[in-house]
Amino acid sequence: GQSLEQPSEVTAVEGAIVQINCTYQTSGFYGLSWYQQHDGGAPTFLSYNALDGLEETGRFSSFLSRSDSYGYLLLQELQMKDSASYFCAVRDGGGADGLTFGKGTHLIIQP
Amino acid sequence: GAVVSQHPSWVICKSGTSVKIECRSLDFQATTMFWYRQFPKQSLMLMATSNEGSKATYEQGVEKDKFLINHASLTLSTLTVTSAHPEDSSFYICSARDPNMVSYEQYFGPGTRLTVT
Repeated sequence: GQSLEQPSEVTAVEGAIVQINCTYQTSGFYGLSWYQQHDGGAPTFLSYNALDGLEETGRFSSFLSRSDSYGYLLLQELQMKDSASYFCAVRDGGGADGLTFGKGTHLIIQP
Repeated sequence: GAVVSQHPSWVICKSGTSVKIECRSLDFQATTMFWYRQFPKQSLMLMATSNEGSKATYEQGVEKDKFLINHASLTLSTLTVTSAHPEDSSFYICSARDPNMVSYEQYFGPGTRLTVT
């Protein structure tokens, strides 16, 4: 079966750095994505890793280790608006591109 | 970035009736769209892959006769929840990928909140 594990909740302070981990077990693997979702809103794309290593986009970075079936999302210089749920998702369907999502990590930012 | 719209944004219907949800890609053509369902405080679950001009592919456990998908054009996919029941109440979200983009980013619609009474 498919499973992605990530912490259910993380709390951090404004201005700090936080890392959200994701481990996965899927029948196929083409890449790991991260999405942000505010309450009641649509998921928005943050990053995609197909190869091992670190991808950096502004305050957000994402890392992948395919041999360890592990990745993480790193958020720096946290802002109150970063309070949201963060989902890792695996592209595992060959050409279909449908995503299997983790259960999500609720990030709480404290002033 | 690319835009995906959904209509309606919310709908309340009576048990036993059918509801149609539309998903449109506004500035790109999508041969494939995806339908997800999300219960409160839970993750998104892929229901089906909608293929333009052919039958949808349903995930295991999703009833294809209950959740009818039609992808009649390169910019429109519809999901019809037939004979809706209270347990079908959920947040339904569609997504699509712009085939012209190298990135595997998926663009999500704003979602449709369905409440069945």
